[in-house]
Amino acid sequence: AQRVTQPEKLLSVFKGAPVELKCNYSYSGSPELFWYVQYSRQRLQLLLRHISRESIKGFTADLNKGETSFHLKKPFAQEEDSAMYYCALSETSGSRLTFGEGTQLTVNP
Amino acid sequence: DVKVTQSSRYLVKRTGEKVFLECVQDMDHENMFWYRQDPGLGLRLIYFSYDVKMKEKGDIPEGYSVSREKKERFSLILESASTNQTSMYLCASSRPDTGANVLTFGAGSRLTVL
Repeated sequence: AQRVTQPEKLLSVFKGAPVELKCNYSYSGSPELFWYVQYSRQRLQLLLRHISRESIKGFTADLNKGETSFHLKKPFAQEEDSAMYYCALSETSGSRLTFGEGTQLTVNP
Repeated sequence: DVKVTQSSRYLVKRTGEKVFLECVQDMDHENMFWYRQDPGLGLRLIYFSYDVKMKEKGDIPEGYSVSREKKERFSLILESASTNQTSMYLCASSRPDTGANVLTFGAGSRLTVL
């Protein structure tokens, strides 16, 4: 069965510093990977998906099949990036999502 | 422009009570999902449905059931609530043709079982 691991429950950085949220997965096939974000008092929402290969709010994520990772990166963190971030995987397009445990990011002024 | 509506934001129930959590979406989505969200555990899938009157078990279906009589409505039922079902419950929906895993979430229902 597939599994998604986010090794950091809490991550704290200063404004303007680079930030990387780690996501590792276990799945032998070709997965579809996502990052979802939940800002304070807001709904959980899609941030980005690997097949789109786009940058959203300055965040990027590259699927590394060799290391089975999908880390989320931003070169210069902003205070408004403070949120809970979830990595998610589906085995094939259209199958159900498996979420990681989540990482609470705090960007300090 | 609320698109996925969960009828109850906060509920407090007693052990053994039957609990209904309602979810309605107005986007004509075929797929609907119920997750529970717990600190340190992330989101875990309880049940999902790809069509009316269709349901599939997720990863943690024990103690729960669902109903999908209409396309826009997906209900989660706790037949006999227990304290370990105290949690945040999230409903979500999606369309298979534009991204089955691009989920639109509701605001959540926080259930406390005493």
